[in-house]
Amino acid sequence: RKEVEQDPGPFNVPEGATVAFNCTYSNSASQSFFWYRQDCRKEPKLLMSVYSSGNEDGRFTAQLNRASQYISLLIRDSKLSDSATYLCVVNMRRNTGFQKLVFGTGTRLLVSP
Amino acid sequence: NAGVTQTPKFRVLKTGQSMTLLCAQDMNHEYMYWYRQDPGMGLRLIHYSVGEGTTAKGEVPDGYNVSRLKKQNFLLGLESAAPSQTSVYFCASSSTANPTGTEAFFGQGTRLTVV
Repeated sequence: RKEVEQDPGPFNVPEGATVAFNCTYSNSASQSFFWYRQDCRKEPKLLMSVYSSGNEDGRFTAQLNRASQYISLLIRDSKLSDSATYLCVVNMRRNTGFQKLVFGTGTRLLVSP
Repeated sequence: NAGVTQTPKFRVLKTGQSMTLLCAQDMNHEYMYWYRQDPGMGLRLIHYSVGEGTTAKGEVPDGYNVSRLKKQNFLLGLESAAPSQTSVYFCASSSTANPTGTEAFFGQGTRLTVV
């Protein structure tokens, strides 16, 4: 079983739609969680961190469910510019202090006019 | 604001050739990483470093070597390239400031093709 699993998509949605992605992780010792965005042929960039209480940044809402070991990302009022691949990332801190970032394979979003 | 810079951005190698990918960061980060990204596989950690002079193996280290002689630089070497090493390589760095996890900053990637 992969440490971090995501539906690869693609999710095809019209502009203005609301879309949600889920991600599951296998290691209950995981300590912190992130969503990264990756545009085609570009490097990943941090979109937002995910906190236990849930957090919102404009049209984006991230939530964490530790009991079920899943993370979600909700995008409201989708824009054409939201088209990208969204990577779920789990940080598992080792006893040595090293923070191992484990990436999901990504969910591709295509927003159409 | 350079951040993380990788060189080269593109390279084509013949099987058996060697090359070194250079990663430089100007954020004074302790941690540096080399990942490869392949279709359907996501980002996989090749090697990482928790500080100057230290390196360690990640998930897929075979066929690669690394060095971190200076804090700001992390080099990835391929001694004898194989077609299976055709991939996009990303370097990243992060700080140790937040014990619960910090943002990783990525370079723009190196597209390597081995023929």
